[in-house]
Amino acid sequence: ETGVTQTPRHLVMGMTNKKSLKCEQHLGHNAMYWYKQSAKKPLELMFVYNFKEQTENNSVPSRFSPECPNSSHLFLHLHTLQPEDSALYLCASSQGLADSYEQYFGPGTRLTVT
Amino acid sequence: GQNIDQPTEMTATEGAIVQINCTYQTSGFNGLFWYQQHAGEAPTFLSYNVLDGLEEKGRFSSFLSRSKGYSYLLLKELQMKDSASYLCAVKDSNYQLIWGAGTKLIIKP
Repeated sequence: ETGVTQTPRHLVMGMTNKKSLKCEQHLGHNAMYWYKQSAKKPLELMFVYNFKEQTENNSVPSRFSPECPNSSHLFLHLHTLQPEDSALYLCASSQGLADSYEQYFGPGTRLTVT
Repeated sequence: GQNIDQPTEMTATEGAIVQINCTYQTSGFNGLFWYQQHAGEAPTFLSYNVLDGLEEKGRFSSFLSRSKGYSYLLLKELQMKDSASYLCAVKDSNYQLIWGAGTKLIIKP
């Protein structure tokens, strides 16, 4: 049990659908992250929130829209996705952004865009 | 640009020792992390190095040389459950983690 949960675990959606991914952390952390993991590629950081404020948006297309209503919850709203967006989407949290704080990951949502 | 290099795949024998190397070129350095990821599961934290030298934690050790931009993860007394991908990541000057693509470690009996 990592203390970070994600729902759904699997999602299949068409290119015209709208869906949302949910992440919740039970660790009392202040920072939360969305990553994209594709096969044989490095983890790609998408968004970072610290104390509910977005601190990073790594040139992510606007069809991905994050929302962080409080320090424990993070959403990723999906709209008009492309087949190349199929990947594992991982949520993570950490105590803060400073040097030594390790990130704790959720189990991920396996997304397939058809 | 920023870059983390590690071997794609390694094979080792149960009970043996294996060393997984990681070299990095990043904008600034605020520590290096190693994570383990079993297939279909979340990455889990293994170690953190910010100063040069060896950090030992049970069967796992991690080494850092900042001047060489180099780290390795040493796994001793390998067990079948150590079959996983091992991810190297560096925290850059913006405190963002830059990740390697991971090394898939296969353990054979």
